Amino acid sequence: EPEVTQTPSHQVTQMGQEVILRCVPISNHLYFYWYRQILGQKVEFLVSFYNNEISEKSEIFDDQFSVERPDGSNFTLKIRSTKLEDSAMYFCAGDEGQGADTQYFGPGTRLTVL
Amino acid sequence: QKEVEQDPGPLSVPEGAIVSLNCTYSNSAFQYFMWYRQYSRKGPELLMYTYSSGNKEDGRFTAQVDKSSKYISLFIRDSQPSDSATYLCAMSAGSFQKLVFGTGTRLLVSP
Repeated sequence: EPEVTQTPSHQVTQMGQEVILRCVPISNHLYFYWYRQILGQKVEFLVSFYNNEISEKSEIFDDQFSVERPDGSNFTLKIRSTKLEDSAMYFCAGDEGQGADTQYFGPGTRLTVL
Repeated sequence: QKEVEQDPGPLSVPEGAIVSLNCTYSNSAFQYFMWYRQYSRKGPELLMYTYSSGNKEDGRFTAQVDKSSKYISLFIRDSQPSDSATYLCAMSAGSFQKLVFGTGTRLLVSP
């Protein structure tokens, strides 16, 4: 059964550094999402992406964040200048865009900002 | 009032018990309701999906949605130690829109 994959599984970075989190969605998925989960808190929506455009973004998704689908298979989340409070699990999700509206999640990238 | 409320638990039950997990919500626009299972430091795994009100059964799992009460439930029959995880309810207002999650209920099933 196809799965969403994410790399790296764990990223440690210094405050102020740029990070790029990568996701490979399931091949027939058309809608893509990023969520994050701060340790001990609920999963929070960051951004949705369809047809190479952002469909919706949350208040968390400020100018420090950007998303891209550079080559038709990868889906990336960039944080330009990381802050301590960006430390969290980041999950990529996808939806095939027809039939049942169900989002399938990747295993996540744990981002630690020091 | 939080948009989605869920008791964080932990909920401890013996193996074989029937488990009831619940969420309430305040946004009447929600139409799609999901239950995800999450093991520690892993991604949410989709368990059940329901559109609008009604029941849905899949093996040992039954999902119920009561839109009039803004209340959703997940029942697990014959619970197993391998069911020990955090169960997240999630909902959205329309197709391909963002999911709004509850905080998750931690379930512990003891042998």
